[in-house]
Amino acid sequence: RKEVEQDPGPFNVPEGATVAFNCTYSNSASQSFFWYRQDCRKEPKLLMSVYSSGNEDGRFTAQLNRASQYISLLIRDSKLSDSATYLCVVNPEYGNKLVFGAGTILRVKS
Amino acid sequence: GAVVSQHPSRVICKSGTSVKIECRSLDFQATTMFWYRQFPKKSLMLMATSNEGSKATYEQGVEKDKFLINHASLTLSTLTVTSAHPEDSSFYICSASSIGTSGYEQYFGPGTRLTVT
Repeated sequence: RKEVEQDPGPFNVPEGATVAFNCTYSNSASQSFFWYRQDCRKEPKLLMSVYSSGNEDGRFTAQLNRASQYISLLIRDSKLSDSATYLCVVNPEYGNKLVFGAGTILRVKS
Repeated sequence: GAVVSQHPSRVICKSGTSVKIECRSLDFQATTMFWYRQFPKKSLMLMATSNEGSKATYEQGVEKDKFLINHASLTLSTLTVTSAHPEDSSFYICSASSIGTSGYEQYFGPGTRLTVT
């Protein structure tokens, strides 16, 4: 079983739609959780950290369910510029290494 | 804040030559830097963890003599791909670690696209 699993997509949605991604992780002792965004042929960029109580940043809402070991990202009112690959990232219990999921592709169309 | 630079952004070299890639944290000190490679449409694969002043820790399957890492200061780590071959062609990305509000956060350099002919 992979340490971090994501649906690769692609998710094709119209502008203005709401879209949600889920991610599961295998290590129950994982400490920190993040969503990164990666554009084609570019480096990943931190989108948001995921807190236990859930957190929101503008149109983006992240939630963590430790009991079920999954993380979600909700994007409301999708924009064309949201098209990218979204990487679910987990910091396992050992040190400060990050483990990356393979990413979920989002394509927002007009 | 948390800007990481990487140089060069793109390099084409002949098989058998060595290539050095630099990673710098510009506005913070990073005791730990990470080196990744990424193949097309695949996720990042951690190659090694680079700690300032000590030897790098390599992931399983990554040859330490092939990929030489030096972390001479708190703001600079280098990766040298020695005797490069076409199968080493890839996107190499470094990151520098700092502690954020929810634990360790990594900030990535813009990557280096290596093509070995």
